[in-house]
Amino acid sequence: TQLLEQSPQFLSIQEGENLTVYCNSSSVFSSLQWYRQEPGEGPVLLVTVVTGGEVKKLKRLTFQFGDARKDSSLHITAAQPGDTGLYLCAGPTSGTYKYIFGTGTRLKVLA
Amino acid sequence: GAGVSQSPSNKVTEKGKDVELRCDPISGHTALYWYRQRLGQGLEFLIYFQGNSAPDKSGLPSDRFSAERTGESVSTLTIQRTQQEDSAVYLCASSSISGPFTDTQYFGPGTRLTVL
Repeated sequence: TQLLEQSPQFLSIQEGENLTVYCNSSSVFSSLQWYRQEPGEGPVLLVTVVTGGEVKKLKRLTFQFGDARKDSSLHITAAQPGDTGLYLCAGPTSGTYKYIFGTGTRLKVLA
Repeated sequence: GAGVSQSPSNKVTEKGKDVELRCDPISGHTALYWYRQRLGQGLEFLIYFQGNSAPDKSGLPSDRFSAERTGESVSTLTIQRTQQEDSAVYLCASSSISGPFTDTQYFGPGTRLTVL
């Protein structure tokens, strides 16, 4: 069974600080995605990484896919209150379009 | 254009009653997913529809759960004889397949189900 574990589960930081969120698995994924979910809304896709070792940047957010395609990280530089939300990683299982989601990291950025 | 819509936004029901949740996907999206999200947790896959192919029902937790999709449009998720553990937010997503096992899912706002 493919699983995605995220850490930390909760994170509360001050505005301007940097942080990293991790998404780990013992299984290889063909791609991994990161979503952000705000209260009362559905998740919104931030990025998809498909190549081992790939690094993608989205403004202050940097996403990395592990060389072995078993893990990924999300780094936020100079966090803002608008970054507050639930961050979820997700990946397709064993060559299908059935996606599994990680356990989530709940981030709160204090002004 | 319109995004994914779900109705109702909130549903409170009594244990043992049946409920029906509706999802209207983005027009032209061939794939449709249902997920369950318990309070403070990640998303749990329930069922996946793709065009005219047989749906992937492997995530449905029991035979009390069923889902249908009319062509490539609206889908309904039905929960029979609801139990308190069914309380959760039920999310629907649609996508147009963009690459090998990689697609962008667009989510609706969810239906919050509370079983008393």
